[in-house]
Amino acid sequence: DTGVSQNPRHKITKRGQNVTFRCDPISEHNRLYWYRQTLGQGPEFLTYFQNEAQLEKSRLLSDRFSAERPKGSFSTLEIQRTEQGDSAMYLCASSLDQADTQYFGPGTRLTVL
Amino acid sequence: AQSVTQLGSHVSVSEGALVLLRCNYSSSVPPYLFWYVQYPNQGLQLLLKYTSAATLVKGINGFEAEFKKSETSFHLTKPSAHMSDAAEYFCAVSGEGTYKYIFGTGTRLKVLA
Repeated sequence: DTGVSQNPRHKITKRGQNVTFRCDPISEHNRLYWYRQTLGQGPEFLTYFQNEAQLEKSRLLSDRFSAERPKGSFSTLEIQRTEQGDSAMYLCASSLDQADTQYFGPGTRLTVL
Repeated sequence: AQSVTQLGSHVSVSEGALVLLRCNYSSSVPPYLFWYVQYPNQGLQLLLKYTSAATLVKGINGFEAEFKKSETSFHLTKPSAHMSDAAEYFCAVSGEGTYKYIFGTGTRLKVLA
Protein backbone atom coordinates (compact mmCIF):
# COMPACT_ATOMS: atom_id res chain seq x y z
CA ASP A 1 0.00 0.00 0.00
CA THR A 2 1.47 3.33 -1.05
CA GLY A 3 -0.49 5.51 1.33
CA VAL A 4 -2.50 8.63 0.58
CA SER A 5 -1.20 10.62 -2.36
CA GLN A 6 -1.96 14.20 -3.34
CA ASN A 7 -1.29 16.13 -6.52
CA PRO A 8 0.10 18.59 -7.18
CA ARG A 9 2.39 19.05 -4.20
CA HIS A 10 2.73 22.75 -4.88
CA LYS A 11 0.53 25.18 -6.78
CA ILE A 12 1.16 28.85 -7.39
CA THR A 13 -1.66 30.79 -8.95
CA LYS A 14 -2.81 34.33 -9.46
CA ARG A 15 -5.75 35.75 -7.61
CA GLY A 16 -8.99 35.07 -9.42
CA GLN A 17 -7.86 31.85 -11.07
CA ASN A 18 -9.43 28.45 -10.44
CA VAL A 19 -7.41 25.56 -9.04
CA THR A 20 -8.12 21.87 -8.57
CA PHE A 21 -6.36 19.43 -6.28
CA ARG A 22 -6.54 15.66 -6.34
CA CYS A 23 -6.37 13.14 -3.53
CA ASP A 24 -5.99 9.39 -3.93
CA PRO A 25 -6.81 7.62 -0.68
CA ILE A 26 -5.55 4.30 0.55
CA SER A 27 -7.39 1.70 -1.45
CA GLU A 28 -10.56 0.35 0.16
CA HIS A 29 -10.77 3.24 2.61
CA ASN A 30 -14.40 4.33 2.76
CA ARG A 31 -13.89 7.71 4.32
CA LEU A 32 -12.02 10.64 2.87
CA TYR A 33 -11.41 13.95 4.64
CA TRP A 34 -10.12 17.34 3.52
CA TYR A 35 -8.40 19.72 5.94
CA ARG A 36 -6.77 23.11 5.51
CA GLN A 37 -3.69 24.18 7.42
CA THR A 38 -2.46 27.76 7.54
CA LEU A 39 0.93 28.85 8.81
CA GLY A 40 1.32 28.34 12.54
CA GLN A 41 -2.02 26.59 12.94
CA GLY A 42 -3.27 23.06 13.21
CA PRO A 43 -5.28 21.53 10.39
CA GLU A 44 -8.92 22.58 10.21
CA PHE A 45 -11.66 20.30 8.94
CA LEU A 46 -13.24 21.23 5.61
CA THR A 47 -15.36 18.30 4.47
CA TYR A 48 -15.62 14.53 4.40
CA PHE A 49 -16.98 11.77 2.21
CA GLN A 50 -18.23 8.33 2.98
CA ASN A 51 -17.80 6.50 -0.28
CA GLU A 52 -19.13 8.96 -2.90
CA ALA A 53 -21.47 10.85 -0.56
CA GLN A 54 -20.34 14.17 0.86
CA LEU A 55 -21.78 14.05 4.37
CA GLU A 56 -20.51 17.20 6.07
CA LYS A 57 -19.09 20.56 5.05
CA SER A 58 -17.47 23.04 7.40
CA ARG A 59 -18.56 26.65 7.39
CA LEU A 60 -14.98 27.31 6.27
CA LEU A 61 -15.96 25.85 2.92
CA SER A 62 -17.37 28.86 1.14
CA ASP A 63 -19.37 28.74 -2.09
CA ARG A 64 -16.11 29.06 -4.02
CA PHE A 65 -15.03 25.63 -2.78
CA SER A 66 -16.39 22.38 -4.13
CA ALA A 67 -15.32 18.82 -3.50
CA GLU A 68 -16.25 15.63 -5.25
CA ARG A 69 -15.52 11.95 -4.89
CA PRO A 70 -16.94 10.24 -7.95
CA LYS A 71 -17.22 6.47 -7.67
CA GLY A 72 -15.98 6.64 -4.09
CA SER A 73 -12.33 6.49 -5.02
CA PHE A 74 -10.19 9.59 -5.60
CA SER A 75 -11.43 13.05 -4.64
CA THR A 76 -10.97 16.51 -6.05
CA LEU A 77 -11.12 19.85 -4.30
CA GLU A 78 -11.72 22.88 -6.52
CA ILE A 79 -11.36 26.49 -5.51
CA GLN A 80 -12.89 29.04 -7.84
CA ARG A 81 -11.83 32.68 -8.05
CA THR A 82 -8.95 32.17 -5.63
CA GLU A 83 -8.16 34.82 -3.05
CA GLN A 84 -4.93 35.47 -1.18
CA GLY A 85 -6.59 34.17 1.97
CA ASP A 86 -6.87 30.76 0.32
CA SER A 87 -3.10 30.34 0.54
CA ALA A 88 -2.58 27.31 2.77
CA MET A 89 -1.64 23.65 2.86
CA TYR A 90 -4.55 21.44 1.83
CA LEU A 91 -4.39 18.02 3.44
CA CYS A 92 -6.30 14.92 2.54
CA ALA A 93 -6.80 11.95 4.84
CA SER A 94 -8.55 8.62 4.55
CA SER A 95 -9.78 6.00 6.96
CA LEU A 96 -11.29 2.57 6.70
CA ASP A 97 -14.30 3.45 8.78
CA GLN A 98 -15.57 6.30 10.89
CA ALA A 99 -13.71 5.46 14.07
CA ASP A 100 -10.57 4.29 12.38
CA THR A 101 -7.32 6.21 12.31
CA GLN A 102 -7.04 8.82 9.59
CA TYR A 103 -3.95 8.56 7.42
CA PHE A 104 -2.77 11.81 5.90
CA GLY A 105 -1.26 12.58 2.55
CA PRO A 106 1.70 14.93 2.04
CA GLY A 107 -0.55 17.88 1.25
CA THR A 108 -0.84 20.42 -1.54
CA ARG A 109 0.63 23.81 -0.77
CA LEU A 110 -1.31 26.59 -2.48
CA THR A 111 0.13 30.06 -2.91
CA VAL A 112 -2.16 32.74 -4.30
CA LEU A 113 -0.33 35.79 -5.59
CA ALA B 1 -18.23 20.72 20.92
CA GLN B 2 -14.82 19.15 21.13
CA SER B 3 -11.66 21.22 21.47
CA VAL B 4 -7.94 20.83 22.09
CA THR B 5 -5.49 23.12 23.84
CA GLN B 6 -1.76 22.68 23.45
CA LEU B 7 0.20 24.69 25.99
CA GLY B 8 3.45 26.05 24.63
CA SER B 9 3.75 26.78 20.95
CA HIS B 10 7.52 26.28 21.17
CA VAL B 11 9.44 23.88 23.41
CA SER B 12 13.22 23.51 23.54
CA VAL B 13 15.02 20.60 25.16
CA SER B 14 18.60 19.41 25.19
CA GLU B 15 19.49 16.21 23.41
CA GLY B 16 19.00 13.34 25.86
CA ALA B 17 16.58 15.29 28.07
CA LEU B 18 12.95 14.47 28.78
CA VAL B 19 10.39 15.64 26.24
CA LEU B 20 7.00 16.73 27.59
CA LEU B 21 4.40 18.22 25.27
CA ARG B 22 1.09 19.17 26.84
CA CYS B 23 -2.41 18.57 25.51
CA ASN B 24 -5.75 19.20 27.18
CA TYR B 25 -9.03 18.36 25.56
CA SER B 26 -12.71 19.03 25.94
CA SER B 27 -15.30 16.50 24.86
CA SER B 28 -18.89 15.66 25.75
CA VAL B 29 -18.40 12.03 24.71
CA PRO B 30 -15.61 9.54 25.44
CA PRO B 31 -12.89 10.87 23.20
CA TYR B 32 -10.47 9.36 20.79
CA LEU B 33 -7.16 11.16 21.16
CA PHE B 34 -4.20 11.33 18.82
CA TRP B 35 -0.71 12.73 18.56
CA TYR B 36 0.69 13.44 15.12
CA VAL B 37 4.12 14.70 14.08
CA GLN B 38 4.76 16.93 11.08
CA TYR B 39 8.14 17.52 9.51
CA PRO B 40 8.64 20.59 7.29
CA ASN B 41 6.61 20.52 4.07
CA GLN B 42 5.25 17.08 4.85
CA GLY B 43 1.92 15.65 5.92
CA LEU B 44 1.02 14.34 9.33
CA GLN B 45 2.39 11.08 10.67
CA LEU B 46 0.58 9.26 13.46
CA LEU B 47 2.65 8.84 16.62
CA LEU B 48 0.03 7.20 18.82
CA LYS B 49 -3.68 7.07 19.59
CA TYR B 50 -5.98 6.47 22.54
CA THR B 51 -9.30 4.72 21.88
CA SER B 52 -10.54 3.81 25.37
CA ALA B 53 -8.29 0.82 25.94
CA ALA B 54 -5.15 1.19 28.09
CA THR B 55 -4.68 4.68 29.48
CA LEU B 56 -0.93 4.58 28.87
CA VAL B 57 -0.36 4.46 25.14
CA LYS B 58 2.95 3.64 23.54
CA GLY B 59 3.73 4.93 20.09
CA ILE B 60 6.50 5.01 17.55
CA ASN B 61 9.98 6.45 18.03
CA GLY B 62 9.88 5.97 21.82
CA PHE B 63 6.97 8.32 22.47
CA GLU B 64 4.14 7.58 24.85
CA ALA B 65 1.13 9.42 26.23
CA GLU B 66 -1.13 8.96 29.23
CA PHE B 67 -4.87 9.57 29.15
CA LYS B 68 -6.04 11.22 32.38
CA LYS B 69 -9.78 11.69 32.40
CA SER B 70 -9.83 13.61 35.69
CA GLU B 71 -7.41 16.17 34.24
CA THR B 72 -8.77 15.98 30.67
CA SER B 73 -5.18 15.65 29.55
CA PHE B 74 -3.21 13.56 27.07
CA HIS B 75 0.38 14.73 27.42
CA LEU B 76 3.10 13.33 25.16
CA THR B 77 6.44 12.25 26.62
CA LYS B 78 9.73 10.75 25.55
CA PRO B 79 12.46 9.91 28.07
CA SER B 80 15.39 11.01 25.96
CA ALA B 81 15.20 13.52 23.11
CA HIS B 82 17.04 12.92 19.86
CA MET B 83 17.96 15.49 17.26
CA SER B 84 15.63 13.78 14.80
CA ASP B 85 12.66 14.54 17.10
CA ALA B 86 12.76 18.20 16.08
CA ALA B 87 9.41 18.78 14.37
CA GLU B 88 5.92 20.12 14.99
CA TYR B 89 3.58 18.02 17.09
CA PHE B 90 -0.21 18.14 16.97
CA CYS B 91 -2.72 16.75 19.42
CA ALA B 92 -6.17 15.93 18.07
CA VAL B 93 -9.52 14.80 19.47
CA SER B 94 -12.30 12.93 17.75
CA GLY B 95 -15.38 10.91 18.54
CA GLU B 96 -18.41 13.12 18.12
CA GLY B 97 -20.69 12.34 15.20
CA THR B 98 -18.58 12.46 12.09
CA TYR B 99 -15.28 11.52 13.76
CA LYS B 100 -13.58 14.46 12.12
CA TYR B 101 -10.43 15.49 13.93
CA ILE B 102 -10.18 18.69 15.94
CA PHE B 103 -6.54 19.70 16.15
CA GLY B 104 -4.64 21.87 18.56
CA THR B 105 -2.47 24.70 17.30
CA GLY B 106 0.67 22.60 17.54
CA THR B 107 3.92 22.64 19.48
CA ARG B 108 7.22 23.10 17.70
CA LEU B 109 9.92 21.03 19.37
CA LYS B 110 13.53 22.15 19.11
CA VAL B 111 16.29 19.81 20.24
CA LEU B 112 19.54 21.45 21.28
CA ALA B 113 22.88 19.70 20.84
